Amino acid sequence: QLHLQESGPGLVKPSETLSLTCTVSGDSVGRSGYYWGWIRQPPGKGLEWIGGIYYSGNTYYNPSLKSRVTISVDTSKNQFSLNLSSVTAADTAVYYCARLVGVSFFYYMDVWGRGTTVTVSS
Amino acid sequence: EIVMTQSPATLSVSPGERATLSCRASQSVSNKLAWYQQKPGQAPRLLIYGASTRATGIPARFSGSGSGTEFTLTISSLQAEDFAVYYCQQYNNWPPNTFGQGTKLEIK
Repeated sequence: QLHLQESGPGLVKPSETLSLTCTVSGDSVGRSGYYWGWIRQPPGKGLEWIGGIYYSGNTYYNPSLKSRVTISVDTSKNQFSLNLSSVTAADTAVYYCARLVGVSFFYYMDVWGRGTTVTVSS
Repeated sequence: EIVMTQSPATLSVSPGERATLSCRASQSVSNKLAWYQQKPGQAPRLLIYGASTRATGIPARFSGSGSGTEFTLTISSLQAEDFAVYYCQQYNNWPPNTFGQGTKLEIK
């Protein structure tokens, strides 16, 4: 059974870099045909797609965050990671990792992690 | 970026009744439309993909329809566990995948 687990600091200072890791069990991040992605949800608000990565390292980012986001994959650890630089209070959110499935170039999220809360505050 | 608009923002329905949720795209997304259910304190759960295909394990009372710019999620007979927030999401034109703002389904 596929399981995704987010981990990382729950508190980040303004202007610093938010770093999260998603550990995958029950599947391989190195398997072709899937993307692995990050989505966030500010308190009391809706969902925002951050970006995704293919096992080969190809990445796709939300243009609104692209200048600050880096997503990477470590197939040896079966993990993928999110770095978001120069954070502000607006980046406070629950951050979810997810597997993206689909065909051709059409991918949606079929399995999600439970999420981790990140607060940006000094 | 494709904008997804859901209506209504809040829907009050009695258990056992039918609920109809709407989602509109700012331009055609073909049938590349997914629906998710989110309960308080939980991650979203995939209900429907391809506008009308139920995900694994999703009860038959959930059905999706539509194509192009207009989509509907119907829950035929509401159970207590169905009261939640529902999001639509397009994946025809990404990045980014874009979500609607959500419809809260509450008990009447």
